[in-house]
Amino acid sequence: EDQVTQSPEALRLQEGESSSLNCSYTVSGLRGLFWYRQDPGKGPEFLFTLYSAGEEKEKERLKATLTKKESFLHITAPKPEDSATYLCAVQAGGGFKTIFGAGTRLFVKA
Amino acid sequence: NAGVTQTPKFQVLKTGQSMTLQCAQDMNHNSMYWYRQDPGMGLRLIYYSASEGTTDKGEVPNGYNVSRLNKREFSLRLESAAPSQTSVYFCASTAREETQYFGPGTRLLVL
Repeated sequence: EDQVTQSPEALRLQEGESSSLNCSYTVSGLRGLFWYRQDPGKGPEFLFTLYSAGEEKEKERLKATLTKKESFLHITAPKPEDSATYLCAVQAGGGFKTIFGAGTRLFVKA
Repeated sequence: NAGVTQTPKFQVLKTGQSMTLQCAQDMNHNSMYWYRQDPGMGLRLIYYSASEGTTDKGEVPNGYNVSRLNKREFSLRLESAAPSQTSVYFCASTAREETQYFGPGTRLLVL
């Protein structure tokens, strides 16, 4: 069964304290792995798409990486405005279905 | 460009009542989706429409129906609401099977 697991469930950081969020997946035929940011009371907002192992993408303080079994979202010198829930999702096999992880809630304290 | 819009933002229903959640997108996307999001769980796909005129079941379709009214609009109907359908509902759209663009959500409480 296709599965996406995110860890930790919650992460509390001080401003400037770099860390990583993990997304491990078990799917057949990965077509794409996505990272989204979700603020309280809002819909998810797209961050990155990764297609193959070894691929990396960056945006401001965020960097996403992909291996054959997992993806990491690295946050460098986070700021309070980076506080949000980060969702990982995969598309696999054929068709239009996307499987989402439960998310990691990130809290960054000034 | 409003992106994906959803109405209503919030709704309270009694068990057994029916309602329709509306979704519209102005990005000329072919595919549209309905998800529900519950605490501690990922977004779960209810139904999707790969293109105008087609709809398919997702992971949790029981108790729901959908209509792809035209390319812009995709509605979700609860015929007889149950407390287990208390959730936040998100509509999304995509040009192809890639990045999904989400609406702001509808918060539904069924008493």
